[in-house]
Amino acid sequence: DVKVTQSSRYLVKRTGEKVFLECVQDMDHENMFWYRQDPGLGLRLIYFSYDVKMKEKGDIPEGYSVSREKKERFSLILESASTNQTSMYLCASSLFTLRGATEAFFGQGTRLTVV
Amino acid sequence: QKEVEQDPGPLSVPEGAIVSLNCTYSNSAFQYFMWYRQYSRKGPELLMYTYSSGNKEDGRFTAQVDKSSKYISLFIRDSQPSDSATYLCAMWTNTDKLIFGTGTRLQVFP
Repeated sequence: DVKVTQSSRYLVKRTGEKVFLECVQDMDHENMFWYRQDPGLGLRLIYFSYDVKMKEKGDIPEGYSVSREKKERFSLILESASTNQTSMYLCASSLFTLRGATEAFFGQGTRLTVV
Repeated sequence: QKEVEQDPGPLSVPEGAIVSLNCTYSNSAFQYFMWYRQYSRKGPELLMYTYSSGNKEDGRFTAQVDKSSKYISLFIRDSQPSDSATYLCAMWTNTDKLIFGTGTRLQVFP
């Protein structure tokens, strides 16, 4: 079974703190994604990565950065946390074949509260 | 216009009912489609993955794709209270982004 593991289920951080959210997958997937999920807005793509050291902006990258130094790990960084970044953060990974992308699998989510 | 449209519900049905969940999409180039189930405060769980037009069945779940109408559906037969969750449709765009509908909240009451 594919496993995508996010380092924390719940986090509480103060405004202005630098926050790191970690995600690890164990299936050698090329693609990894970070989303945030808010009521009424659904899942919105923050950043994604096709391979090590590669990253692409999603729909809402402002206030975030990412790091992918190893294939299995994709980190989301909140440079200076703000209260409007309080949300559920979801990491996903997928294989990429010659036929195109395949199923995407999610971690359990990190509920971040910025106070 | 949103790339993916999904009725947010909530949809409330009695146990044993057949449930129909739907999404429409805007770009005919989209070609891989998924349905996820998400319980409260958990990550989405993949239910079905389809590529071509037609039906795909897995137990009580059937995924249907109509590319000519840009319309996808998920049917749940003999619905159970444990099916109560939010159901998300998802698809790969032609620029390799994975996009989602906003989700439909389903409640199955005994």
